Amino acid sequence: GAGVSQSPSNKVTEKGKDVELRCDPISGHTALYWYRQSLGQGLEFLIYFQGNSAPDKSGLPSDRFSAERTGGSVSTLTIQRTQQEDSAVYLCASSLAGGTWRGSNQPQHFGDGTRLSIL
Amino acid sequence: ILNVEQSPQSLHVQEGDSTNFTCSFPSSNFYALHWYRWETAKSPEALFVMTLNGDEKKKGRISATLNTKEGYSYLYIKGSQPEDSATYLCAPAAGYQKVTFGTGTKLQVIP
Repeated sequence: GAGVSQSPSNKVTEKGKDVELRCDPISGHTALYWYRQSLGQGLEFLIYFQGNSAPDKSGLPSDRFSAERTGGSVSTLTIQRTQQEDSAVYLCASSLAGGTWRGSNQPQHFGDGTRLSIL
Repeated sequence: ILNVEQSPQSLHVQEGDSTNFTCSFPSSNFYALHWYRWETAKSPEALFVMTLNGDEKKKGRISATLNTKEGYSYLYIKGSQPEDSATYLCAPAAGYQKVTFGTGTKLQVIP
C-alpha cells in the first residue's frame, strides 16, 4: 500500500519568502508528526497531531512556523519569512493511534522528506 | 521532554563482527520503547516497538532487549554486514508524552 507521501521533494527559495510543505499520511493513521534534520544534526521534533486533539506544538522553533491538518488527513507545514537557518530536511511521519496513549506504542512510518534550501 | 541517552555516539566494526549499543531512559511512567534504523540519504525505518519489561524482539540478525525497571534497552547486531551501516535511534515514550528520539548511535561496518 501507499506510504507517507511528502511534497515537494526539494524546495529552493530566497530568504524572506514563505514556503508550504505537504504531508499525506498513510490512510487510517490518526497520529502525524513533523520533524526536521539540519545539516549534521539529529532528528528534531516540531509538531504532533493526534486525531481531533489539540496539536502538540512544543517543538516549533519560532512563530514563523505553523502547521495544520485538514480533515484529519493531509498536513501542511508553513514557514513564513524564511531564514537561512531554516534550511534542513523536513520529515513527516504517521502512525496508528495507540489507544489512550496517543500513538506512542505504534511505529512511526516516515516519508522521504522535503529538502529545503534557503538562499 | 524525556532525557534519552544513547551510547556510543559512533562506532566502527569489521564485517562479520557482532556489536551492541545502549539506550538509557527514565524508568518512571514508562510506556514504550522504539528502535529505528536511519540510513544516510533515507528516512528512518522502524525496527521494533517494545512495551514489556524483559521483552526481546528479533528481526533477522538484529535483536533488542528491554529493561523498564532500570531504564535501558540494548540493540544487538550479529555478524555485522556493510548494509547494516546506519544511525540507530531509540525513542522512549512515557506517561502521556509522545516518543522522544535520542541522538542515535552511528554504526559503520568496514568490509
